[in-house]
Amino acid sequence: DTAVSQTPKYLVTQMGNDKSIKCEQNLGHDTMYWYKQDSKKFLKIMFSYNNKELIINETVPNRFSPKSPDKAHLNLHINSLELGDSAVYFCASSRGTVPQETQYFGPGTRLLVL
Amino acid sequence: QQQVKQSPQSLIVQKGGISIINCAYENTAFDYFPWYQQFPGKGPALLIAIRPDVSEKKEGRFTISFNKSAKQFSLHIMDSQPGDSATYFCAAGLASGSRLTFGEGTQLTVNP
Repeated sequence: DTAVSQTPKYLVTQMGNDKSIKCEQNLGHDTMYWYKQDSKKFLKIMFSYNNKELIINETVPNRFSPKSPDKAHLNLHINSLELGDSAVYFCASSRGTVPQETQYFGPGTRLLVL
Repeated sequence: QQQVKQSPQSLIVQKGGISIINCAYENTAFDYFPWYQQFPGKGPALLIAIRPDVSEKKEGRFTISFNKSAKQFSLHIMDSQPGDSATYFCAAGLASGSRLTFGEGTQLTVNP
């Protein structure tokens, strides 16, 4: 009964490839997020969606494109992968958009670009 | 622009000791301060949170101390246990806003 699930868990790919990461939450939450955690463990928000609508779009290269087909899913597509994209990508969800709504994180997708 | 600064980067404590992690923020409008705990290979999970109307919040062995005038808050872990070994993130946000700003993280190791 995983609350926030991500696939794949590991992703190893070559530079220049296009890849997608999928996220699903079964908590009935309205808000979903994508975070990037670099090798130094720094956690940085990339995008946030509320009821399928984009509400946060940080300074992220436009090679990264999120898509929310419905409230329970938020996918991340990355074009033309670069070495610097290697990181752990976390999906999270919360009941609402305000910070005091607890964010529930998925297990992460470990992306390695060779 | 780093709005939440966390220290130390890493911390080693003996079992039974007190672990203290500090955070400082810049934006005086922040009014929600959570701490998240992340075990290796897992996503972060909310540990404890505080609003600025109180100076301290305690949940079990975990206590947040908050100093509004100094724009600082800290996490104290009493009677630290090896199972507390994890990375801890402080964060800050506006209750009316839409995002959390995370600190850089502290890797805590509790030796048996």
